[in-house]
Amino acid sequence: NAGVIQTPRHKVTGKGQEATLWCEPISGHSAVFWYRQTIVQGLEFLTYFRNQAPIDDSGMPKERFSAQMPNQSHSTLKIQSTQPQDSAVYLCASSLKGAGQNTLYFGAGTRLSVL
Amino acid sequence: GDSVTQTEGLVTLTEGLPVMLNCTYQTIYSNPFLFWYVQHLNESPRLLLKSFTDNKRTEHQGFHATLHKSSSSFHLQKSSAQLSDSALYYCALSENMGYKLTFGTGTSLLVDP
Repeated sequence: NAGVIQTPRHKVTGKGQEATLWCEPISGHSAVFWYRQTIVQGLEFLTYFRNQAPIDDSGMPKERFSAQMPNQSHSTLKIQSTQPQDSAVYLCASSLKGAGQNTLYFGAGTRLSVL
Repeated sequence: GDSVTQTEGLVTLTEGLPVMLNCTYQTIYSNPFLFWYVQHLNESPRLLLKSFTDNKRTEHQGFHATLHKSSSSFHLQKSSAQLSDSALYYCALSENMGYKLTFGTGTSLLVDP
């Protein structure tokens, strides 16, 4: 089991450009989460999928952020018109079911730097 | 909504001294799950320990914590710090049958020789 795989590990974009981040959850896990990590805010919830269906995107900045899970083996987080304040580490996590009682397994993250 | 408060941003102590990292929470649900995740440098967060039973001590890898619903607390403790304990520690909350974790802002623990 390779764990949660995230690509790329680092991405540098210019202000106003688009960034797409990829996540491959652990096989057999039905729940996939996206979190954003910064020093100031810590781990902020962005969005959650269960069995590929979007369940909660309450943490997503609506205007420029979107997430999809077209199949059980990968999810994408897209940021349009990136801004310097989007610079952060974006972490994908998966769990067997919802996080209520279950362990979240995090990927290594994608460090996004917006210049 | 749910919230988790970790009051210390940075805790620095000498190897061998006891560790206590504070965590309090707010939730409307009567049966929350509380978690501690640890993140070492250049690694991703991983589960350290979890609990949902009131007033029961849970232990793992030398660390322990007790969920106290009366005070909405779940402090992390260790009797003797080791250099390898230096890391970022997150306290997190979930509803019993809920689906997402709400994390605190994290506490960096730095253990000096």
